[in-house]
Amino acid sequence: QVQLVQSGAEVKKPGASVKISCKASGYIFSSFYLHWVRQAPGHGLEWMGRINPKTGGTNYIEKFQGRVTMTRDTSLDTGYMELSGLTSDDTAVYYCAVPGVETVSEAFDSWGQGTVVAVSS
Amino acid sequence: DNQLTQSPSSLSASVGDTVTITCRASQTIYTSFNFNWYKHTPGQAPSLLIYAASTLRRGVPSRFSGSASGTNFSLTINSLQPDDFVHYYCQQTYSVPWTFGQGTKVDIK
Repeated sequence: QVQLVQSGAEVKKPGASVKISCKASGYIFSSFYLHWVRQAPGHGLEWMGRINPKTGGTNYIEKFQGRVTMTRDTSLDTGYMELSGLTSDDTAVYYCAVPGVETVSEAFDSWGQGTVVAVSS
Repeated sequence: DNQLTQSPSSLSASVGDTVTITCRASQTIYTSFNFNWYKHTPGQAPSLLIYAASTLRRGVPSRFSGSASGTNFSLTINSLQPDDFVHYYCQQTYSVPWTFGQGTKVDIK
């Protein structure tokens, strides 16, 4: 079955960068966009952007432009999300998610388990 | 961006009650294909409940249902069960950036 397995929790200092991985299995990695969603404490879900694993093409939301980089390694069926210039506002749980593997839709029917990123001096 | 205004932000109900959560889009979503609902239990990843506005994901109990009318979308939960007292989010994928509603917390009265 479809599995998305993310890397472990991270603690970072302000100004640092964090890179989270998302290892996919159970489906053809290059056939479905890989998305990243985060949830900060006390806040709702926030879509950050997506990568086309086949082409490497990306879309990011404006607030993260210049700070986020989504990449992939198709030989490892793994996607990555790197966020730089961390502040305490970036403390959150980060999820990778894939739409439409199980359902014929653009809904996220597969999610990673989440990666906690804590930013603290 | 297509903002989704989800209401209420929280509600209190009892086991067995029926509740409805609504989402209103700031821009027209011309196809119901691009509207979804999720359940989010603290400490777990979100879970898809309904996609394409009204299609129940396989394995999701039939007490959950979704509907659409113009720019308004609704999630109804009939006969609330103990596992249903969590957060719910709507989502649109019609236009980039994809957006979520701000969420509804359903707690026990």
